[in-house]
Amino acid sequence: QSVLTQPPSVSGAPGQRVTISCTGSSSSIGAGYDVHWYQQLPGTAPKLLIYGNNNRPSGVPDRFSGSKSGTSASLAITGLQAEDEADYYCLSYDNSLSGRVFGGGTKLTVL
Amino acid sequence: QVQLVESGGGLVKPGGSLRLSCAASGFTFSDFYMSWIRQTPGKGLEWVSYISGGGTSLYYADSVKGRFTISRDNAKNSVYLQMNSLRAEDTAMYYCARAFYGDYIAYWGQGTLVTVSS
Repeated sequence: QSVLTQPPSVSGAPGQRVTISCTGSSSSIGAGYDVHWYQQLPGTAPKLLIYGNNNRPSGVPDRFSGSKSGTSASLAITGLQAEDEADYYCLSYDNSLSGRVFGGGTKLTVL
Repeated sequence: QVQLVESGGGLVKPGGSLRLSCAASGFTFSDFYMSWIRQTPGKGLEWVSYISGGGTSLYYADSVKGRFTISRDNAKNSVYLQMNSLRAEDTAMYYCARAFYGDYIAYWGQGTLVTVSS
């Protein structure tokens, strides 16, 4: 059981908007620590998607965006495409564990 | 471009040891924190360890503290993970990664599989 909770799965049709939540606590996201997001396509290593809550590395489409509020963060994907089908993970810091922690991951299915 | 190539994974018996290596290229290696991240189907992703560019700042997850040792050779652009007293629960894909300090992972290697089984 991860200290960052993500829904196991989400789905959407092509062109739709989906959001993936990452819920922490007062010792992690709620303490002001940044949240980062990763995309893992089947059979490959994770890839940085969002860093510092809402920043996209070069090459990441602006269809992907991040936000943070209180003890939670969200990844939004607009204009859903078949190639977005992947697992998505959040990452933050937890001061009660004195370490970086990943969320349990969310599998996105494009219908 | 940033390239990270892991090696050294394999099958090892419980209680055994293994040394993972990661060869880096495409950036000034000594300027960056390097990390090892592992992934299992059951427990997901876990940040195992990191080391600063000069090797003075280290981090270990509680699950590996006292058993694993991270090191680097800036002359060889390489980072290592010495894993001792291996347990079944250490079975995972191990990724070498370039970190933004100890904050987040910017680049990942393709991983090397470690299986601990009798």
